[in-house]
Amino acid sequence: EDQVTQSPEALRLQEGESSSLNCSYTVSGLRGLFWYRQDPGKGPEFLFTLYSAGEEKEKERLKATLTKKESFLHITAPKPEDSATYLCAVLVGGSYIPTFGRGTSLIVHP
Amino acid sequence: NAGVTQTPKFQVLKTGQSMTLQCAQDMNHNSMYWYRQDPGMGLRLIYYSASEGTTDKGEVPNGYNVSRLNKREFSLRLESAAPSQTSVYFCASSAQDQVGETQYFGPGTRLLVL
Repeated sequence: EDQVTQSPEALRLQEGESSSLNCSYTVSGLRGLFWYRQDPGKGPEFLFTLYSAGEEKEKERLKATLTKKESFLHITAPKPEDSATYLCAVLVGGSYIPTFGRGTSLIVHP
Repeated sequence: NAGVTQTPKFQVLKTGQSMTLQCAQDMNHNSMYWYRQDPGMGLRLIYYSASEGTTDKGEVPNGYNVSRLNKREFSLRLESAAPSQTSVYFCASSAQDQVGETQYFGPGTRLLVL
């Protein structure tokens, strides 16, 4: 069974304290890995898509990387406005139904 | 572009009542999805529609029905609401073609069943 596991479940950082969120997957035939940000009371908002091992994408203080077993979302010098739940999802084979992880809740204290 | 819109934003129902959640997208996407999100459970797929005229069950379809009215609209119906259906419901859409496979989500409908 395909599985997506995100860790940690929750992370508290001080403003400026860099860290990484992990998304590990056990799937066959990865076609794409997606990162989303979800603010309280809102729908998930697309951040990145990664397609192959070694690929990296950046957006402001966020950088997503992909290996054959996991993806990392690196947050450099975070600010309080980066506080949110970060979700990852994978798409495999010929399916168009992504499998979502349960998310990492990030709180950045000023 | 409004993206994905959902109505209503909030709803309170009594057990046994019925209601329809509406979803529309203006991105000309082929595929549309209904999810529910519960604390500690993540996003769970209820139903999806790969293209206009087709619908299929997801992980948790019991107690729900859907209609893909046209390419833009995908509705979710609760025929006889139960307290276990208290949740936040999200609609999403994706192109599912050479344009891309990213899902775009609506703002959600918060449903409380008493």
